[in-house]
Parts: sequence; C-alpha cells; structure tokens
Amino acid sequence: DIQMTQSPSILSASVGDRVTITCRASQSISIWLAWYQHKPGKAPKLLIYKASTLESGVPSRFSASGSGTEFTLTISSLQPDDFATYYCQQYNAYNFLSFGGGTKVEIK
Amino acid sequence: QVQLQESGPGLVKPSETLSLTCTVSDGSISSYSWNWIRQPPGKGLEWVGYVSHIGTTYYNPSLKSRVSISVDTSKSQFSLKLSSVTAADTAVYYCARGREDYDILTGYYKRNHFDYWGQGTLVTVSS
Repeated sequence: DIQMTQSPSILSASVGDRVTITCRASQSISIWLAWYQHKPGKAPKLLIYKASTLESGVPSRFSASGSGTEFTLTISSLQPDDFATYYCQQYNAYNFLSFGGGTKVEIK
Repeated sequence: QVQLQESGPGLVKPSETLSLTCTVSDGSISSYSWNWIRQPPGKGLEWVGYVSHIGTTYYNPSLKSRVSISVDTSKSQFSLKLSSVTAADTAVYYCARGREDYDILTGYYKRNHFDYWGQGTLVTVSS
C-alpha cells in the first residue's frame, strides 16, 4: 500500500506570506495526486488534481508541482481565508487511495 | 451544483453495524465513483472505500473484512455498512464523488480524486 507523508504537520504563518507544504509518497505515483483544503465543520475542498491542475474556481494564489514521489503545494500570498488544514491524496492505484497526515496552517 | 447528504444514526453500540446513506442531488449516480471517507476525532482523513459506476467495489484493506458499500441508482443513493464496530470507528463520515483522470500513457482511467463532498456526519460508537 502507498503511504503518504506530509511536512510540516503544523505551519505558522502570517497574512501575505508565501507558504509551501510538501507531500512524499512511499513509491512513485506519477502525477496522480490531489490537494484538499479542510476547515473545521466543513467538507474538504478540492484545490488541485493531477499534481498541478487547479480545480475550477480555486484562486490562482494556489499552485502545486511534482511527480513521482515528491510534491509541493504553494500558497503565494496567504489570505485570512486560507488558514485551514491541507491534505494530499494519491490515486495512482485504483484499488487503494490514501491521504497524507495533513498540514495545519495557523496564524503566527 | 452537485449536493451530497449523509444520513444515518449518530450513535451505534459496540459490536453492532454502522449504516449510513448518501443521497446525491443531481442524478449523476449512474456515472462517477462513490466514496466513503472518515475522520476520527483529532486525526486525519482515511479512505474507507468506493463503489464504481458499474458496481465494482474497492475497500481499504484495514477495513475490508468489515465494510460493504452499495449503490441504489433508482434512489440516487449509495450506502455504507461497517460491521463489528468499536470505539476506534468513532469518526465523522463523509461521502464524496470520485472523479477520474485519463492516463494517456496506459490508456486507463485513474480513480479517484474527490470533487464533491457531503458535510459529514459524526458517528459515535458507545454503549
């Protein structure tokens, strides 16, 4: 089974900061990775799929890159609405899907 | 706009079966794949399993012996059953629609990433 590891687990930042979250896969998943934003009490929101494709309606300050085993999500200028927990998710194998442990972006 | 809504008991006794239903608003139940994902209190997201649009099911190996997912296209619903529950199964359970990507290198579709989610429902396992 493919394991996903995110770092850091907690990230303290200020409005306007550029922030980067890393996700690593235990084996190559090519480009089959998605990123989600999750706020307490709400449904997770799809931000990115196929490693770097921005979901419709998602602000352009969100970007992502990577392939194989190393991936990053970048928020170019952190906004108040961006404080949340972010998860990566691999879908390389049709019979096993898995999430990273999450990165909480909190106010510094 | 697609809407998904989970329903079912919020409290289940240990050793009993957890049953949840997800209702899909837009009639797309005959397409896509339909997933259950859960989040234990204070922890991250865990994929439970999915049923494809042709009725094939796939489950997380850690739950495979206890889980069953089915779809009722006539009602635009899909369901989760998790048997022999313990306190470790206490979680917010989400239903989500799975979208595919076409892999041009292999000619196959890659399932799933999740484009629409329900709001989630807390299920507590306790006597």
